[in-house]
Formats: sequence, C-alpha cells, structure tokens
Amino acid sequence: DIQMTQSPSSVSASIGDRVTITCRASQGIDNWLAWYQQKPGKAPNLLIYAASSLQSGVPSRFSGSGSGTDFTLTISSLQPEDFATYYCQHSNSFPLTFGGGTKVQIK
Amino acid sequence: QVQLVQSGSELKKPGASVKVSCKTSGYTFTRYGVNWVRQAPGQGLEWMGWINTNTGNPTYAPDFTGRFVFSFDTSVTTAYLQISSLKPEDTAVYYCARGKSGSGSYYSYWGQGTLVTVSS
Repeated sequence: DIQMTQSPSSVSASIGDRVTITCRASQGIDNWLAWYQQKPGKAPNLLIYAASSLQSGVPSRFSGSGSGTDFTLTISSLQPEDFATYYCQHSNSFPLTFGGGTKVQIK
Repeated sequence: QVQLVQSGSELKKPGASVKVSCKTSGYTFTRYGVNWVRQAPGQGLEWMGWINTNTGNPTYAPDFTGRFVFSFDTSVTTAYLQISSLKPEDTAVYYCARGKSGSGSYYSYWGQGTLVTVSS
C-alpha cells in the first residue's frame, strides 16, 4: 500500500499569512493526488485534484503543486474561514489512502 | 444537483450489526461508483473501499474485509454499508462519497456522515 505522510501535523498562523502544507507518498504516484479541507462536524471538501487543478468554486488563494512523491498545498493569504484540517489523498492505485491531516489553527 | 443523503446516527451493542444507507439523487446512479470513508473520533480519514454501481463489483481496503459489506439498490438509487459483529473500535462517522465527473477517484460529493456508536 502507498503511505501518505503529511507535515506539519499542525500549524499556527495569522490572517493574511502564507501557509504551506506538504505531503509525501511512499512511492511515485505521478499526479494522482487530491487535497481536502474539513471543518469540525462536516464532510471533507475537495480543494485540489490531479495535484494542481483547482476544484470549481474553490478560492484561487488555494494552489497545489508537485508530482511523483512530493506535493504541496499552499494558501497564499490565510482567511478566517480557512481554519480547518487539511488532508491529502492519493488515487494512484487501490487502496486509496489519506495523509494524517494538518490542522491549521489561529495564532 | 447531486446529493448524497445518509441515514441517521446509530447506537449499537458489541456483536450487533448495522446498515448505513446513502440515498443519491441528481445524477445517473449507475454511472458513478459509491465510495465509503471512515473517521474515528478525533482521527483522520480512512478509505474503506467502493462499489461499482454498474457491475456490482465491490473493492475493499485491506482493513475492511470480512465484516464490511457494500451493496446498493438501483431502483431507489441508494447504496448501503453493512457492518457485522460490531466492535467498540468501529465507533466512527461513516461517509459515502462520489467522484467528480471525469475522475471518479476525486470525491467532490459527500454525504453528511453517519455516526455509528458501539457501546455496551
């Protein structure tokens, strides 16, 4: 199985900050990667798919990059509604797996 | 619009069974598989597997074989997750999810989640 390792597990940031979250796959997955945002008590929300494609309706301050084993989610200017937990997920092969999550907290 | 609406919370005793439903609408049911994701309290997301609603073929993640069964009823466009021989560690929120058009493994549609609590 492909393991997905996210870092950091949590980050404290202020409104307007640039935030970067990384995800590493245990083997190459081309660009078969998605990023989700989850708020407490809610289902995850797809932000980025195919490593760098912005899902319809998602603000442009979110961006994704990477290929192979190393990927990044960047929030260019953190907004109040962005405080949440973020997960990466590979879809290269079964079983699909998620990263452990990164909680973005208010500084 | 695409919607996935799940059944309500369940409280079960260890050893019992539970069946969670995921009622879909707004699209052709047989064109998209239904996926299941588990989230234990305070924990991350776990992909449980999916069922092909065209062929009926299920795929289970290694940790979800044996006691977990995916099924569906096309006539009511509803998918089901059944868990037997429940254990306290099965306590979690269970989500159904559907892939986005053109790329079924990126989940752009989710149910609201069903909390299953297993306790004596």
